Amino acid sequence: GENVEQHPSTLSVQEGDSAVIKCTYSDSASNYFPWYKQELGKRPQLIIDIRSNVGEKKDQRIAVTLNKTAKHFSLHITETQPEDSAVYFCAASSNFGNEKLTFGTGTRLTIIP
Amino acid sequence: GAVVSQHPSWVICKSGTSVKIECRSLDFQATTMFWYRQFPKQSLMLMATSNEGSKATYEQGVEKDKFLINHASLTLSTLTVTSAHPEDSSFYICSARGLGGTNEKLFFGSGTQLSVL
Repeated sequence: GENVEQHPSTLSVQEGDSAVIKCTYSDSASNYFPWYKQELGKRPQLIIDIRSNVGEKKDQRIAVTLNKTAKHFSLHITETQPEDSAVYFCAASSNFGNEKLTFGTGTRLTIIP
Repeated sequence: GAVVSQHPSWVICKSGTSVKIECRSLDFQATTMFWYRQFPKQSLMLMATSNEGSKATYEQGVEKDKFLINHASLTLSTLTVTSAHPEDSSFYICSARGLGGTNEKLFFGSGTQLSVL
């Protein structure tokens, strides 16, 4: 089955700086990669996703890049703000998300004011 | 985005009792719902995939007789933790996948914190 690894497990950045979280996956059949943000005790919220037919996708301060050859994808948050503090999970799925998602282990991001 | 309602948000029960958790898609039909379990500071672990009108598919290591899943309609799936024990204490979250425009995107319920005494 699919195995998704995520690094780092914790990340602290100064407000205004950029944050990067990286994930690798094992199954070459995976072609859908969403990122979720989860605040303490709350539900995961989809913040951005990417399909394997594109290499990069951007939505305001958030971007995701995908390297299919290396089987890794990354989340980039620019101009970080205190409200970006949360746990972020990457995930992978095949059949463009119509199969089950396998989640990474999560990254606790802390933005230092 | 689509809304998934999960109830109850928290429950405390005695060891040996059963607990039912409901997951409803409020504004879309969900042919597939997923049930996850999340321990503190850990990732979401898929327990089972629930398909409307058919038996759920359980992940390896998940006891189907202990975690009963029923997906009787396109908007409701239930997870029943039978004969709960303290080790079943966890945060349980459901998610649902819509059809049409929402296709592959998953929407999560708000989660249920289960504490078994």
